[in-house]
Amino acid sequence: EVQLVQSGAEVKKPGESLKISCKGSGYRFTSHWIGWVRQMPGKGLEWMGIIYPGDSDTRYSPSFQGQVTMSADKSINTAFLQWGSLRASDTAMYYCARGFDGPGYFDLWGRGTLVTVSS
Amino acid sequence: DIQMTQSPSSLSASVEDRVTITCRASQSISSYLHWYQQKPGEAPNLLIYTASRLQSGVPSRFSGSGSGTDFTLTISSLQPEDFATYYCQQTYSTPYTFGQGTKLEI
Repeated sequence: EVQLVQSGAEVKKPGESLKISCKGSGYRFTSHWIGWVRQMPGKGLEWMGIIYPGDSDTRYSPSFQGQVTMSADKSINTAFLQWGSLRASDTAMYYCARGFDGPGYFDLWGRGTLVTVSS
Repeated sequence: DIQMTQSPSSLSASVEDRVTITCRASQSISSYLHWYQQKPGEAPNLLIYTASRLQSGVPSRFSGSGSGTDFTLTISSLQPEDFATYYCQQTYSTPYTFGQGTKLEI
């Protein structure tokens, strides 16, 4: 089955670090971009950036550049999104999604990872 | 960044109604416009890509049109499962911005 499986929900304190994952299966992981999308509680979708697992080419939204780091390990078909120091404003659902037709629209989505940052 | 503006932000409709949602880009994006549906508690789902192409498995009551800066998503006959939030997204240039969403309610 073609799918993206995301890691489980996280509860963290401000200032802590975090790395969440997105594992692809059922397709050639290195041939499709993986994007990350943030959805804050009750809000819309925000495009954070994309990474090409084949060579780790990465493009960030200016809104998220320097705030998060995207990476990929093609040996385990997994993409990652990480924070060095979380803030309460990072509380959100984070979706990974597969880019189709290059770094374009998302035709396959993970179920999301809920990140809660609270003291 | 290219700004994507959807209208309306919310819409009340009934089963079997014909509904149109509009998405306007702040500059020309050719046909690099895509539509997603998101139901509560679920991930978004691709409906229409490159303005008018129906994603596999999506019912034919969904259609899209437009190019340049103005686009529409039309649902020809609303079904109960269509009540959800709809988002447009441009992939003409990064960051690949989304519209703010249109919530379709009964």
